[in-house]
Amino acid sequence: QTVVTQEPSFSVSPGGTVTLTCGLNSGSVSKAHYPTWYQQTPGQAPRTLIYSTNIRSSGVPDRFSGSILGNKAALTITGAQADDESDYYCVLYVGSGISMFGGGTKLTVL
Amino acid sequence: QVQLVESGGGVVQPGRSLRLSCAASGFTFTSYDMHWVRQTPGKGLEWVAVIYNDGSDKYYADSVKGRFTISRDNSKNTVHLQMDSLRAEDTALYYCTRDGLVLAGRNFDYWGQGALVTVSS
Repeated sequence: QTVVTQEPSFSVSPGGTVTLTCGLNSGSVSKAHYPTWYQQTPGQAPRTLIYSTNIRSSGVPDRFSGSILGNKAALTITGAQADDESDYYCVLYVGSGISMFGGGTKLTVL
Repeated sequence: QVQLVESGGGVVQPGRSLRLSCAASGFTFTSYDMHWVRQTPGKGLEWVAVIYNDGSDKYYADSVKGRFTISRDNSKNTVHLQMDSLRAEDTALYYCTRDGLVLAGRNFDYWGQGALVTVSS
């Protein structure tokens, strides 16, 4: 059974840099999985930050960037701000028409 | 502007059925694949199903395959999710989303406000 893995929680200091990752229990993540990253704050629908590995969605600050690091997809926040404190989800296209979400990472900025 | 408005949520007993609808506006509906994504209370997101822009292909998460059916009416700009044999674990907020990428890849760029489904006896 395919599982998309994310760190359950992460903490970063204001102004700091943090890298969240998105992996597959069955192997490596590549661009062919079209990694997408969403940010969700309580009571709101998710918002796209990054799609197709590293394309920033319209209006997303350039402190958010996406990449493949080793065998995982990665979301890096450079110069974290207080309002970046949110839940972050990655989604991978795993083939046969199916997408899968990771379990999400709760990011704390303190 | 793009709008997605879900309806049809409610409380239903285990084993019964419910049909969600999503009314889309503000874009050329026939150009985009449409998805359902759900979120259990206080928990994470789960992709549920997709229907391609012309209705030619449909795919489902293993957790709902054989019980849920996605459909669309391109003449009415609506997408539906027929949920049969509902289980307690189907309790969630169900979002209708648009896949903003016409070619390769997926990007759920617009979301509705969600329809709450509660499965309980």
